[in-house]
Amino acid sequence: GAGVSQSPSNKVTEKGKDVELRCDPISGHTALYWYRQRLGQGLEFLIYFQGNSAPDKSGLPSDRFSAERTGESVSTLTIQRTQQEDSAVYLCASSSPLADSYEQYFGPGTRLTVT
Amino acid sequence: GENVEQHPSTLSVQEGDSAVIKCTYSDSASNYFPWYKQELGKRPQLIIDIRSNVGEKKDQRIAVTLNKTAKHFSLHITETQPEDSAVYFCAAYPANFGNEKLTFGTGTRLTIIP
Repeated sequence: GAGVSQSPSNKVTEKGKDVELRCDPISGHTALYWYRQRLGQGLEFLIYFQGNSAPDKSGLPSDRFSAERTGESVSTLTIQRTQQEDSAVYLCASSSPLADSYEQYFGPGTRLTVT
Repeated sequence: GENVEQHPSTLSVQEGDSAVIKCTYSDSASNYFPWYKQELGKRPQLIIDIRSNVGEKKDQRIAVTLNKTAKHFSLHITETQPEDSAVYFCAAYPANFGNEKLTFGTGTRLTIIP
């Protein structure tokens, strides 16, 4: 079946502009994660959605970052007033913990470049 | 919350030798421990996982061991090959606790020297 998809695959934006990144998880997956990965670095947790529970926003680096998820489907990550340090690959992952399946399936990522 | 530490951050081994990567975790409630491999320019993918009711799991050249008492787990790769070169991430997850999240370690860049 279809895996996790993300769009756009690449985004170049000017400093100060807002961007929206989209993630389509695997159908039926209740858990959805956003991560930031700077070049050559690890997976920096941003936000976690699980079903209808309040999201875990503890990883968001500033109030310029926000994310939403509609039910158990699409999620969007919004970065307002982008800065050069926001340049990174943004990865989305989904899993189905309530079905005793904890493997995270990652999307291909969105490469964000802020000029 | 959970804290996962991973060592070493970089590791170089001769082709054919073994590689070992170690992780420690802080939350005794964690009971699921996966390992992900991320090749250059690609997304992370699960290569092996272990649950707390077993101490070791093997899959061909890859094995994972778990010591719940000491709160540490390790990835062992034997007879390393060039295609094993990648970044490896460990993680810990409290599967029985509702809305808790999976926590990744900081990663190990493994280089296999031909």
